[in-house]
Amino acid sequence: SQQGEEDPQALSIQEGENATMNCSYKTSINNLQWYRQNSGRGLVHLILIRSNEREKHSGRLRVTLDTSKKSSSLLITASRAADTASYFCATPNYGGATNKLIFGTGTLLAVQP
Amino acid sequence: NAGVTQTPKFRVLKTGQSMTLLCAQDMNHEYMYWYRQDPGMGLRLIHYSVGEGTTAKGEVPDGYNVSRLKKQNFLLGLESAAPSQTSVYFCASSSPFSRTSGRTDTQYFGPGTRLTVL
Repeated sequence: SQQGEEDPQALSIQEGENATMNCSYKTSINNLQWYRQNSGRGLVHLILIRSNEREKHSGRLRVTLDTSKKSSSLLITASRAADTASYFCATPNYGGATNKLIFGTGTLLAVQP
Repeated sequence: NAGVTQTPKFRVLKTGQSMTLLCAQDMNHEYMYWYRQDPGMGLRLIHYSVGEGTTAKGEVPDGYNVSRLKKQNFLLGLESAAPSQTSVYFCASSSPFSRTSGRTDTQYFGPGTRLTVL
């Protein structure tokens, strides 16, 4: 099954720095999503980028998608301590008539104040 | 809107006991999902439902059963709990993806249930 693989597995930065996380996937997709999970909480959708888009912005988030390399990156600019969380990419698996997302194993981001 | 809620938040079981986890959503979503999350494993899909009265197996269905008698509720059952089922369980819901309408398949997650099986 296709799966997003995030890189790095863990990232520690200082407040104010930028954080970049990468995701690679295996098969063709029509969109890719990024989610955030704060410790002990459920996942929260951050941003979706469609296969015909190369870059998308949302506040301090910037997502890129390179379908030729089957990879995506999530950039968080001017990071804050509140950005400390795990970040997951998710790609759709439309086998049959269902909408299923395949989640990667996540990048754990720690932003030091 | 409460979004997606899960009951209970925490539970400790002994091996062989049974229990049911309840998920409820108030967004009128057709699709609902149950995942488990283990350290270093990401989220793995247990079962899912594409509508009231329908269920299907996901990636790791063994040892679990589900039911979707009402559109807003999705129940996950453990008939005979095992220590390997110690995990955090998440429910999610979504609308169907639609190329024509542009509707996406963003999933909305509940807060999770932390289950320990001794």
